[in-house]
Amino acid sequence: GQNIDQPTEMTATEGAIVQINCTYQTSGFNGLFWYQQHAGEAPTFLSYNVLDGLEEKGRFSSFLSRSKGYSYLLLKELQMKDSASYLCAVIGQAGTALIFGKGTTLSVSS
Amino acid sequence: GAVVSQHPSWVICKSGTSVKIECRSLDFQATTMFWYRQFPKQSLMLMATSNEGSKATYEQGVEKDKFLINHASLTLSTLTVTSAHPEDSSFYICSARDLGASSANTGELFFGEGSRLTVL
Repeated sequence: GQNIDQPTEMTATEGAIVQINCTYQTSGFNGLFWYQQHAGEAPTFLSYNVLDGLEEKGRFSSFLSRSKGYSYLLLKELQMKDSASYLCAVIGQAGTALIFGKGTTLSVSS
Repeated sequence: GAVVSQHPSWVICKSGTSVKIECRSLDFQATTMFWYRQFPKQSLMLMATSNEGSKATYEQGVEKDKFLINHASLTLSTLTVTSAHPEDSSFYICSARDLGASSANTGELFFGEGSRLTVL
């Protein structure tokens, strides 16, 4: 079967750094994505990893270890607007749909 | 990035009626579109893969006779919820890949705005 796990909720304060972990077990692996979703809106793309290592994009970074079936999304200099749900998603077989984890709801307080 | 548009954004209907949701790729052609459903505080669950010119592929547990999918052109897929019931109330989101763009190398999906269905 396919399984993607991430924490349900996390809280942090403005200016802090937060790391959201994701572990996956899928039939095949052709890339891992992180999406941000605000309530009632469609997901928006944050990052993509297919090789091991760290990908950095501004305040957001994403790490992948294929041997461990593990990824994390790192958010720096948190802002109130970063309060949202963060979805970890994997492509198992190339060309197929993304399989999503249940999402991590991040609450940023002042 | 590529643009995917859904219509309607909100729909309220009576139990037993049918509702059609449209998904369009505005600036690219999509031979395949993916339909997801999202219940409150839950993640996106893949319902079906819509294939232009052929039958859709449904995920296990999704009733193909209840959720009719038509992908008649390279830019339009429709999802019809037939004989809707309150338990069908959900957020329905379509997505597609732009195979002509650099994002095709990663398999990135572009999402429509979503359609919130409420069945009374």
